[in-house]
Amino acid sequence: DGGITQSPKYLFRKEGQNVTLSCEQNLNHDAMYWYRQDPGQGLRLIYYSQIVNDFQKGDIAEGYSVSREKKESFPLTVTSAQKNPTAFYLCATGTAISNQPQHFGDGTRLSIL
Amino acid sequence: AQSVSQHNHHVILSEAASLELGCNYSYGGTVNLFWYVQYPGQHLQLLLKYFSGDPLVKGIKGFEAEFIKSKFSFNLRKPSVQWSDTAEYFCAVNARENNRLAFGKGNQVVVIP
Repeated sequence: DGGITQSPKYLFRKEGQNVTLSCEQNLNHDAMYWYRQDPGQGLRLIYYSQIVNDFQKGDIAEGYSVSREKKESFPLTVTSAQKNPTAFYLCATGTAISNQPQHFGDGTRLSIL
Repeated sequence: AQSVSQHNHHVILSEAASLELGCNYSYGGTVNLFWYVQYPGQHLQLLLKYFSGDPLVKGIKGFEAEFIKSKFSFNLRKPSVQWSDTAEYFCAVNARENNRLAFGKGNQVVVIP
């Protein structure tokens, strides 16, 4: 089945540590997105990538970094510089012409201890 | 950058009642408009979208939305809700010029049997 795999589903880290969230897709979609979901905040765009080896900052990129070395993969690193990292993180994909995310992963819930 | 407003974050209603969720956006240029739904324990998924043409858009499960350009609105409606419509609903706006999708804060809808 085609889809998006985010792992792990739950992630706990100590304050001050960097942590990387995985997002893999086999939908052959060019575009990939990372969103953060907080209660009462909706979804906010962190980073997006429309093509391999290229990505752009979203609305809340500070404290995060990404890479897009392969079409299938778009890992997100939450760095120690991110002031409030505890949140639910959603990865999404879309075709190049669709202009919006079409499929969403199950998400990773990150908790900083 | 565009922004999206959704009011009445929590909505509780009985089965067979009518539902209308408001969505207003701020952006002066051309936009694409979306409603997403997230059922409990499931992926975020696309409910309906408007790109151009007839401003009254019909989506899945009996939902419809009307784009009123003069009011910068894209309200979601369903004439008669069911218990299975219990979910969180997100309005989103994509400005064609910047290819960024902005989400509203969401409406948590609970339908009581």
